[in-house]
Amino acid sequence: AQSVTQLDSHVSVSEGTPVLLRCNYSSSYSPSLFWYVQHPNKGLQLLLKYTSAATLVKGINGFEAEFKKSETSFHLTKPSAHMSDAAEYFCVVSAVGGSYIPTFGRGTSLIVHP
Amino acid sequence: NAGVMQNPRHLVRRRGQEARLRCSPMKGHSHVYWYRQLPEEGLKFMVYLQKENIIDESGMPKERFSAEFPKEGPSILRIQQVVRGDSAAYFCASSPPDSSYNSPLHFGNGTRLTVT
Repeated sequence: AQSVTQLDSHVSVSEGTPVLLRCNYSSSYSPSLFWYVQHPNKGLQLLLKYTSAATLVKGINGFEAEFKKSETSFHLTKPSAHMSDAAEYFCVVSAVGGSYIPTFGRGTSLIVHP
Repeated sequence: NAGVMQNPRHLVRRRGQEARLRCSPMKGHSHVYWYRQLPEEGLKFMVYLQKENIIDESGMPKERFSAEFPKEGPSILRIQQVVRGDSAAYFCASSPPDSSYNSPLHFGNGTRLTVT
């Protein structure tokens, strides 16, 4: 079985300050991990993915995430928030040998204040 | 190169009617996934299809819901005798034939179903 826990349902930051969106996963197999972003009334867009190569993964729009096996975490960060980053963010896990169906976390709503 | 196309974007049905949601995957993609999103919740997997085959429907409700992906044409998610609890956003995603567990999904913009 596999699962994802996004530790915060809402995160509020000021423009120009760092962003941290937390994600913990559970998987009996080597996981692949993804972060997707969803803007209001839109579909989901891939931000970045981890697939057992480098543990620090760089994505689009200045986001990056670090895979920490010992902590079963895959937190998403950005050094400086922009107003356009306000959106819903989803952490996703899938795994060979386990369920290949991507499993989504409940999402974290990022609010950016001017 | 068109992305995943879903239609309609918004669908309103009265209780007891049928809802048909369509999804055309990205060109060259042969795997289709359907997810449902309820307010304040993440996306819940419903069904995974390849051309003419249902691979995994473990997330589909046992009654009233069905899905198909014919050899020609879009994938269809059908909900019969809709109830208010079916109101949600339904997302379709696709991936190419050679995709595996580490391949990202490409999503459409969703169909927002409202049952009155």
